[in-house]
Amino acid sequence: SQQGEEDPQALSIQEGENATMNCSYKTSINNLQWYRQNSGRGLVHLILIRSNEREKHSGRLRVTLDTSKKSSSLLITASRAADTASYFCATDAIKGGSEKLVFGKGTKLTVNP
Amino acid sequence: DSGVTQTPKHLITATGQRVTLRCSPRSGDLSVYWYQQSLDQGLQFLIQYYNGEERAKGNILERFSAQQFPDLHSELNLSSLELGDSALYFCASSAREEDTEAFFGQGTRLTVV
Repeated sequence: SQQGEEDPQALSIQEGENATMNCSYKTSINNLQWYRQNSGRGLVHLILIRSNEREKHSGRLRVTLDTSKKSSSLLITASRAADTASYFCATDAIKGGSEKLVFGKGTKLTVNP
Repeated sequence: DSGVTQTPKHLITATGQRVTLRCSPRSGDLSVYWYQQSLDQGLQFLIQYYNGEERAKGNILERFSAQQFPDLHSELNLSSLELGDSALYFCASSAREEDTEAFFGQGTRLTVV
């Protein structure tokens, strides 16, 4: 079963705008990661946030984690056309769980020049 | 380049056949994950190995099996193939068993005709 569920499924914005994607999950986690996938290519790791962290930054990326609501958000600031891709959250369940590094269905981001 | 190598890149085969997908993880990575990505199911976790041992199992069909060899490369065997098995199959590796980012290969695109 899917652990993470991203929202929205698709997002279209203009270059320079900010893009916010959300992820909800179901069970307790060790950490949550965000990945990016260009069409038909492999996934690229963007950022990892641990369950005891609330916010993390990496360049133009800002990730928040709310374990009480079992949700995370990924903010891309000052978006560029090159940010066009699908973005996935992945959860790493507490040890002993049957599934590891489980991905949601992704948010397809289109940044229009 | 993630350092994870998957072969072959493309595979076309007939229903009922058996195929083997191969993955060489990043140098030094002990953990290998297999995923299936199809349009309607998203990225599905299949199975994880760590240092030769199976660690976690997801929605992997009984017709599918995998193993990780002493040199840490892994193979995913798909048998009695059906049209619905057509998908992108990704391998990912990580340094440790958990709490770490995963590096993805470029995938094997399997088409069953």
